[in-house]
Amino acid sequence: LAKTTQPISMDSYEGQEVNITCSHNNIATNDYITWYQQFPSQGPRFIIQGYKTKVTNEVASLFIPADRKSSTLSLPRVSLSDTAVYYCLVGDRGGANNLFFGTGTRLTVIP
Amino acid sequence: NAGVTQTPKFRILKIGQSMTLQCTQDMNHNYMYWYRQDPGMGLKLIYYSVGAGITDKGEVPNGYNVSRSTTEDFPLRLELAAPSQTSVYFCASSSRVASSYNEQFFGPGTRLTVL
Repeated sequence: LAKTTQPISMDSYEGQEVNITCSHNNIATNDYITWYQQFPSQGPRFIIQGYKTKVTNEVASLFIPADRKSSTLSLPRVSLSDTAVYYCLVGDRGGANNLFFGTGTRLTVIP
Repeated sequence: NAGVTQTPKFRILKIGQSMTLQCTQDMNHNYMYWYRQDPGMGLKLIYYSVGAGITDKGEVPNGYNVSRSTTEDFPLRLELAAPSQTSVYFCASSSRVASSYNEQFFGPGTRLTVL
């Protein structure tokens, strides 16, 4: 089962771009990479998912190199409301019990 | 749609008591999950279900039981509460459409304290 490694915490000033990298050396061929965001006292919320290269939506971009052993979540021009914990998950698209949330990366946006 | 709802929001139990955490989803999702989240930690999967009548263990199932009699409901049962079960419990659901992402939708959580 592919597990992930992320930095425990990051700080950023408002308006900056934030890049959070996740390492997943044992990713399997069928695994997708999914990122969730969690605010205090709330359940996690899906941000973005990808398999390879680059994926972009209205919230973030996800960069995945050719070997897929890592991925980078990019948040453009962060605001105070982006302060949250960000989780990187690796698992089969339809898998139920092979998605590990880990401890995530606590992002603090500073005014 | 209300999405995923959980009751109660908060509960304090004494050691040895039992209780059921309720979870309901109105999105007609086949997959449902129960997670626990200890302070400062990530989520750990307790049990999951791929459809009515089908459940399976996750990473930390000991001390818990589940049932899935309908598509909408997935209750989590604690039979003999222990202090180690003090945590925030999240229920989630997801669809099982091959062409779409397995995005999980989470409920607001139940904060449980066992004293």
